[in-house]
Amino acid sequence: EDQVTQSPEALRLQEGESSSLNCSYTVSGLRGLFWYRQDPGKGPEFLFTLYSAGEEKEKERLKATLTKKESFLHITAPKPEDSATYLCAVQSTNAGGTSYGKLTFGQGTILTVHP
Amino acid sequence: GAGVSQSPRYKVTKRGQDVALRCDPISGHVSLYWYRQALGQGPEFLTYFNYEAQQDKSGLPNDRFSAERPEGSISTLTIQRTEQRDSAMYRCASSLAPPRAANEQFFGPGTRLTVL
Repeated sequence: EDQVTQSPEALRLQEGESSSLNCSYTVSGLRGLFWYRQDPGKGPEFLFTLYSAGEEKEKERLKATLTKKESFLHITAPKPEDSATYLCAVQSTNAGGTSYGKLTFGQGTILTVHP
Repeated sequence: GAGVSQSPRYKVTKRGQDVALRCDPISGHVSLYWYRQALGQGPEFLTYFNYEAQQDKSGLPNDRFSAERPEGSISTLTIQRTEQRDSAMYRCASSLAPPRAANEQFFGPGTRLTVL
């Protein structure tokens, strides 16, 4: 069974204070690892997909990296508008290589950036 | 373009009643997914469709829950004889292609179900 654990549960930063969020995962075979941002009262908003260990993707102040057991979401010089819950999810494959469509999510990290 | 839409946005019902939740995916998206999200948690998978075919219903909690997508577009999640434990946010997502390769799922705003 796929498992995803995110840490910390909550993170408070001052504006400009860089940090990282962690996503540890266990899957039978990784098809893709996804990062989403979720604002209060809204659905998750897609940020990145990572497919293989060593891959990195960037978008504005966010950079996602992937190893064989975990992913990091690095936030550089955050601003108050980066405050949100960040969700990590995995999509796995079975032994035959067929992808399971479902995403298995972690519980999220609540990020608060103070001005 | 228009995103995933869900209706109703809020549904309050009495225990024992049936409810139907609707999802309208992004136009042209082949795959459609249903998730349930508890407060403070990530979404939990319920079921998904490629076109009109239900591919995986392993996440449906019990046989009171069912879903259909008869024409490969709009989907309905039905909960029969609702119970208080069914209260949650129900989210729908769609993706452009079937999951042969990982492709992103785009989420709707959700339906908040409250069972009294």
